[in-house]
Amino acid sequence: RKEVEQDPGPFNVPEGATVAFNCTYSNSASQSFFWYRQDCRKEPKLLMSVYSSGNEDGRFTAQLNRASQYISLLIRDSKLSDSATYLCVVNLVPYNQGGKLIFGQGTELSVKP
Amino acid sequence: DAGITQSPRHKVTETGTPVTLRCHQTENHRYMYWYRQDPGHGLRLIHYSYGVKDTDKGEVSDGYSVSRSKTEDFLLTLESATSSQTSVYFCAISEVQGLSYEQYFGPGTRLTVT
Repeated sequence: RKEVEQDPGPFNVPEGATVAFNCTYSNSASQSFFWYRQDCRKEPKLLMSVYSSGNEDGRFTAQLNRASQYISLLIRDSKLSDSATYLCVVNLVPYNQGGKLIFGQGTELSVKP
Repeated sequence: DAGITQSPRHKVTETGTPVTLRCHQTENHRYMYWYRQDPGHGLRLIHYSYGVKDTDKGEVSDGYSVSRSKTEDFLLTLESATSSQTSVYFCAISEVQGLSYEQYFGPGTRLTVT
């Protein structure tokens, strides 16, 4: 079983749609959680950290359920510029001990006009 | 912009030759990392450093060595490149923001071993 598993893609959605990505992780000791965005042939870029209380940044909402070991990302009112691969990432060590990040394989999103 | 550069950005080399990739950062970050990214595998940690001359192995360290003689530079060496090391290599640094931890990536080096 992979340590971080994501929905297989690609997701093809029209502009303005709401799309949800799901992710599960296997290590219950995971400390912190993130969503990264990666454009084709570019480096991953941090989209948002995910907190236990849930957090929102504009059109993006992230949720964490530690009991179910489940992370989600919701994108509302999709834009063409949201087309990218979204990576679910967990950190296995406490924040002040560097990082041991485990990456999911990513879910590709394509937003069409 | 986390001030990370990688060189070279693209390299084609032959099997059996040594290759060194350089990661340079300008903001005095303590932690630095090398990853490789391959289809079907996602990003995997090769080695990381937690200070000058302090390094440790990651998940896929076989065939790779690293050195960090200065805070700003983290070098990844393939002593004798193999075709299985054809990949995209990303360097990263980490920052602690209050109680949260964030990791930022360089632009990547695309390496082809023929």
